[in-house]
Amino acid sequence: GAGVSQSPSNKVTEKGKDVELRCDPISGHTALYWYRQSLGQGLEFLIYFQGNSAPDKSGLPSDRFSAERTGGSVSTLTIQRTQQEDSAVYLCASSNILNSPLHFGNGTRLTVT
Amino acid sequence: QKEVEQDPGPLSVPEGAIVSLNCTYSNSAFQYFMWYRQYSRKGPELLMYTYSSGNKEDGRFTAKVDKSSKYISLFIRDSQPSDSATYLCAMYSGGSNYKLTFGKGTLLTVNP
Repeated sequence: GAGVSQSPSNKVTEKGKDVELRCDPISGHTALYWYRQSLGQGLEFLIYFQGNSAPDKSGLPSDRFSAERTGGSVSTLTIQRTQQEDSAVYLCASSNILNSPLHFGNGTRLTVT
Repeated sequence: QKEVEQDPGPLSVPEGAIVSLNCTYSNSAFQYFMWYRQYSRKGPELLMYTYSSGNKEDGRFTAKVDKSSKYISLFIRDSQPSDSATYLCAMYSGGSNYKLTFGKGTLLTVNP
């Protein structure tokens, strides 16, 4: 079946612009995660959605970052007023039950110029 | 001290070699351990998933967990050039703690 799908695969934007990154999880997966991967920094947790529960936003680095998940499926990560330090690969992952492994998409490579 | 430590390498080996990749961690609550493989410009792909201590084997890959030493390993037998990638260890406590904590990854190159 289809894996986790992310779009766009690459995004170049100017400093100060807003960007939206999209994630389509694996069908039936109730848990959805966003991670950020910067060069030499590893994967950094951003936000977690589980079913209809309130999301865990504890990893969002600033109030310029927000995310939503509509209908328990597709998720959008929005970065407002982008800064150069936001340049990274943004990875989405989903899982189907508690304590099961995460399945990742190929990410969106964001470059802020 | 970081929660998860992983030697970033790079590690370069000849084809057919046995590769050993390792991570250490500080949080004794971690119970679920994973190894992911990540090719360039791709997302991490799950290789091995283990719970608590012990060994797990899948083809050429063996994962070992030693909770008493807070140490996990991934062994690759008969390494192939197609194994060239970054290997990430990841772990979490389980239950209400669902956030994976990752190592920074080890870059492996298998030379033909």
